[in-house]
Amino acid sequence: AQKVTQAQTEISVVEKEDVTLDCVYETRDTTYYLFWYKQPPSGELVFLIRRNSFDEQNEISGRYSWNFQKSTSSFNFTITASQVVDSAVYFCALSGVYTGFQKLVFGTGTRLLVSP
Amino acid sequence: SAVISQKPSRDICQRGTSLTIQCQVDSQVTMMFWYRQQPGQSLTLIATANQGSEATYESGFVIDKFPISRPNLTFSTLTVSNMSPEDSSIYLCSVRGGDAYNEQFFGPGTRLTVL
Repeated sequence: AQKVTQAQTEISVVEKEDVTLDCVYETRDTTYYLFWYKQPPSGELVFLIRRNSFDEQNEISGRYSWNFQKSTSSFNFTITASQVVDSAVYFCALSGVYTGFQKLVFGTGTRLLVSP
Repeated sequence: SAVISQKPSRDICQRGTSLTIQCQVDSQVTMMFWYRQQPGQSLTLIATANQGSEATYESGFVIDKFPISRPNLTFSTLTVSNMSPEDSSIYLCSVRGGDAYNEQFFGPGTRLTVL
């Protein structure tokens, strides 16, 4: 079975602080993809990143960085120097070869509140 | 990435009625997906819609309650039938884009409230 756990329900930080959102996954697939999405108050889901199971290189995009560690089944997301506009719910998701990559399994999300 | 639009963006409906949600994509896609997000919850896949075949429903979702149409490669509809307040959710359409390995993009969602 596939499962994504985001243990942090809500995180509150002050602007310019760094924050890390945790994501732990379970899958029996040897080939799978991990995703992060952002859902601002408007409700739309914004795609942030996709990482495949064979690529454990960390990635940085501006203030965003992702740390993929297969050994601990984690795919954590760090925002550096957070801004108020980062306030949103962030979802980690997983898809695997077992379901033909047809299904995204989402975590329960982490609500990030960035105050000025 | 694909550009996805949904209609309506939001609606308030009475118990026992039905609502059809439309999803339009700006490019031809093989697979379209419908997700539900109940208030304060995560997203759950309702069904996968392929053009020219019946939709495939996930456990807990049935065709009588959520009939889906997929008349062509750029359009799909989801109907929420015989609604109850428990159906109040955001319904999101999603498509696969990018390369073949499941890069999924989402529409803006339809926010449904059932009274």
